[in-house]
Amino acid sequence: GNSVTQMEGPVTLSEEAFLTINCTYTATGYPSLFWYVQYPGEGLQLLLKATKADDKGSNKGFEATYRKETTSFHLEKGSVQVSDSAVYFCALSDQTDSWGKLQFGAGTQVVVTP
Amino acid sequence: KAGVTQTPRYLIKTRGQQVTLSCSPISGHRSVSWYQQTPGQGLQFLFEYFSETQRNKGNFPGRFSGRQFSNSRSEMNVSTLELGDSALYLCASSFEGSYEQYFGPGTRLTVT
Repeated sequence: GNSVTQMEGPVTLSEEAFLTINCTYTATGYPSLFWYVQYPGEGLQLLLKATKADDKGSNKGFEATYRKETTSFHLEKGSVQVSDSAVYFCALSDQTDSWGKLQFGAGTQVVVTP
Repeated sequence: KAGVTQTPRYLIKTRGQQVTLSCSPISGHRSVSWYQQTPGQGLQFLFEYFSETQRNKGNFPGRFSGRQFSNSRSEMNVSTLELGDSALYLCASSFEGSYEQYFGPGTRLTVT
């Protein structure tokens, strides 16, 4: 079956530090990949996406590249802010896994200190 | 364009009762998916509806059910509540043919 593995948190960083959250996946088909972010007390917000190999998704300074050869989709940001403190989820959608289902990783909590 | 809305936002129920949660998708979105989020199990897929038909279902007992109306609004129902059903229930909608899902704020269900 499909699965997503993320690095465990919490990840604690100082403001302006570089952030990397590792994400690897297994899928029976050719998935689309996503990063979602969840702030305390809120639902999930789509941060970025990539639908095919070598695609780079980017948004709000965050980037992730779809690497089919390593089955990875690592999230990076060059300079984090306190407002980036949240839980980040890597997810995949596999057309062979039928409709409307996102498979999520366990989530990585990021804490950015001033 | 308004986002996905869910009602109620918070709910407290007693074990053995039943509960109905509501979700209104983004205008024009016809697919609605439901997820359960708990600290122990993370985010788990419950089911997906499109044009009033359930197209996909996760590994949850039959106590969990849902439906979708002709205006794409969706409800999910949990009967005979158990303590372990305490969770954040998230609804997401998507445009036909798209894998991008947009989430509502969730309904926090507490079962006592």
